[in-house]
Amino acid sequence: QSVLTQPPSLSAAPGQRVTISCSGSTFNIGNNYVSWYQQLPGTAPKLLIYENDKRPSGIPDRFSGSKSDTSATLGITGLQTGDEADYFCGTWDTSLSVVVFGGGTKLTVL
Amino acid sequence: EVELEQSGAEVKKPGESVRISCQGFGYTFSSYWIAWVRQKPGKGLEWMGIIYPGDSDTRYGPSVEGQVTISVDTSIATAYLEWKSLKASDTGMYFCVRRHVDKSTLDFWGQGTLVAVSS
Repeated sequence: QSVLTQPPSLSAAPGQRVTISCSGSTFNIGNNYVSWYQQLPGTAPKLLIYENDKRPSGIPDRFSGSKSDTSATLGITGLQTGDEADYFCGTWDTSLSVVVFGGGTKLTVL
Repeated sequence: EVELEQSGAEVKKPGESVRISCQGFGYTFSSYWIAWVRQKPGKGLEWMGIIYPGDSDTRYGPSVEGQVTISVDTSIATAYLEWKSLKASDTGMYFCVRRHVDKSTLDFWGQGTLVAVSS
């Protein structure tokens, strides 16, 4: 059981827009920055979004992040087949003193 | 360019010991915390612990406290994760990750080391 809650799976067609939600509490998302990670099949996770809405160098602006209260959202526009991956949210948890993650959302681009 | 290079896959029997490694390149290794994150087959990510190479300050996650040892050798820019007595339930992929200035952000990931424990 993950501390942060994400939908297990989502699917959408190429070119469409999709949003992935991540729900937590005041101990984690409510008082800390949220990051998003993309894990392509058979590879290590990669940082996609940090500090709620910032993109590391090299991440296209099709990817966006936002946060409100104890929830965060990852948005992906102009979906491509190469976006098929597992997406994880993560943040610091003040009560546990660890980084906590969502269970991951498997995105299928049909 | 920042890179974290991890050691190769390990296949062990229950009760055996193992140490896996993570070498950092392209940045000042002693200035950034290095974390270890576990991913069991088909599952999500789990925080194991973190070490600051500058002074070896180490913090363990509650799920692994007492089960593993995290250490570092700054002379070769390498962090380690060690088990003294493996269990089948330790089977999984282990990633070392550099922590960003903000404690919520893990900015560079190693390629992962598979540890398989089976009798």
